Amino acid sequence: GAVVSQHPSRVICKSGTSVKIECRSLDFQATTMFWYRQFPKKSLMLMATSNEGSKATYEQGVEKDKFLINHASLTLSTLTVTSAHPEDSSFYICSAREGAGGTEAFFGQGTRLTVV
Amino acid sequence: AQSVTQPDIHITVSEGASLELRCNYSYGATPYLFWYVQSPGQGLQLLLKYFSGDTLVQGIKGFEAEFKRSQSSFNLRKPSVHWSDAAEYFCAVGPSGAGSYQLTFGKGTKLSVIP
Repeated sequence: GAVVSQHPSRVICKSGTSVKIECRSLDFQATTMFWYRQFPKKSLMLMATSNEGSKATYEQGVEKDKFLINHASLTLSTLTVTSAHPEDSSFYICSAREGAGGTEAFFGQGTRLTVV
Repeated sequence: AQSVTQPDIHITVSEGASLELRCNYSYGATPYLFWYVQSPGQGLQLLLKYFSGDTLVQGIKGFEAEFKRSQSSFNLRKPSVHWSDAAEYFCAVGPSGAGSYQLTFGKGTKLSVIP
């Protein structure tokens, strides 16, 4: 199956700094990528949908200025957590949909963000 | 709005025993349904999916699930659990016509396996 690589797998940063998480589709072109946040003992919550070459669509309640998403190429989407706070600590997972008519989204391995 | 309910937060079974994980959904039309498995600190792996046709779908690792429209359920089953099946399992629903685009996930069921 298709592979989605997410980097880094773990990151610790200080409050007030910014952190960038990368999501790459390794063997397919992904016109659409999704960013999820997973709280402890909770489900995955869709944060935003990014489409290559256009602005991301954010879910209600997600601060677009805080969680910057860029999908500059068909194989790479980035999520930047700006001015990180301890409450931003979470597990972030990306997924990528193959092509415009792909019927399955493939998930990255996730990034554990800890803000201290 | 669509929603997914996984009534069991944590299930413990003995190795070799059968398993059934429950999933109920609420959706206005015929949904696309998925089961994913997540190992600790890892991303999600698709076990199986239902789009249409035969309501009993086979997945990887010996898992199967049955779509029951009348009960709005999509329960996951395995006849004989292996210790390596211990993980978190998520049921998800997506809008039909768009594959796994914009999934809504249940809260997950943690499976523990006793040797």
